[in-house]
Formats: sequence, C-alpha cells, structure tokens
Amino acid sequence: GQQVMQIPQYQHVQEGEDFTTYCNSSTTLSNIQWYKQRPGGHPVFLIQLVKSGEVKKQKRLTFQFGEAKKNSSLHITATQTTDVGTYFCAGPSGYSSASKIIFGSGTRLSIRP
Amino acid sequence: GAVVSQHPSWVICKSGTSVKIECRSLDFQATTMFWYRQFPKQSLMLMATSNEGSKATYEQGVEKDKFLINHASLTLSTLTVTSAHPEDSSFYICSARGDRVEAFFGQGTRLTVV
Repeated sequence: GQQVMQIPQYQHVQEGEDFTTYCNSSTTLSNIQWYKQRPGGHPVFLIQLVKSGEVKKQKRLTFQFGEAKKNSSLHITATQTTDVGTYFCAGPSGYSSASKIIFGSGTRLSIRP
Repeated sequence: GAVVSQHPSWVICKSGTSVKIECRSLDFQATTMFWYRQFPKQSLMLMATSNEGSKATYEQGVEKDKFLINHASLTLSTLTVTSAHPEDSSFYICSARGDRVEAFFGQGTRLTVV
C-alpha cells in the first residue's frame, strides 16, 4: 500500500538555527498537506501544495512540493521555541474528494533555548 | 478554521467494557470522517474512513467488529471500542473533511483500559 516516510525522525536544534524535514511518498500525490502537532495536542493544518514544483511561504516556514509530486519539504528559518512539535506531511490515497489521508511518520522538533 | 469537537477527551475503563467516542463537526458538514490511532511518539495510523450514510472502510489489520464506526449524519461520527483490552489503550483522533481540502481534527481521546 501507499507509504509516506519522513526524515529525520527527530531533530534537536539550538534556537535560531534552521530546520528541515523531508517527506517522501511511494506514489504520486495529487496534493500534499502539512500539519503541526504540539506536545499533548492534536494536529493542526498548516498548508496544502498542489502543483508540481510549488513553493509556498508562511513567515519563517517554506514548503516545497517536488517536481514529480512524490516528495516535499518543510524548512523553518531561525527556529523559535514556539516551533516545538511534530511536523507531519500527509497525502491523499487517490484523486477523489473521498480519498483517505495518509500521514507521514512525522519529524519531532525540539529546541534548546 | 472549522471546528471539530471530540468527546470525551480522556476515559478510563475496565477491561472487557465498551467505550464510545463522539466526533462532531460544529460549523460545517463533514462528508468524510477519519479515525486515527496514535501511540506515544508515533505517527497517526489511519483506522477507518467513513462517509455519511455508508459503511466505514477499515484499514488492513483493523478489526471492524471491535472498532465500530457510525457516521449517521453529516455532523456526527462515533467510534465504539468494544470489549476493550489494555492493548487498546491509545490516543484516538478523529478528523473531518467537508468541501475544503484540508481535514480538521478533534482534540483527541486518550483511552486507558485497566
């Protein structure tokens, strides 16, 4: 079945350093979504990418969708303690609106103040 | 964003009993609802997908007779863990999707079976 993998599994950085997580799908995705889950909380939607090669920015966060629509990345510039949490990519299993959403394995970000 | 309410937020039950978890979309119609299970420090594992008015589609390895899912209306889905055992202890999260592409998550339910 479809698999969505993320690396690294964990990342511990000094506050102010950059952070990147990579997402790879075993199948081509119609779109990819990114979620953030704070410790003890539930996942919160960050963004969706649809087009091949698409790049979107949200303040210090930059999201990229690969040309083949099988991989994606999230880059955070100059991390802050508020960035702590687990970042998940997620992709639909198909192209219909009823397709199930498969989550990546997640990357847990911790930050040294 | 849209609001999804999940209840209860935590529950402790005795082994062998059943527990019902509710997931409600408060301000939109959820045509599709997803139920996930999350073990500590792990990803969200999809258990089943339900569309309003039809039977849920379960993922491989998920027992449909043990995890009963009902999606009777466009705003409510329920997950019942029947004859719960300690290994069923986990964090269960629902998410709902309507017209918008993203899914909105409930707060999650921490189930502890003793």
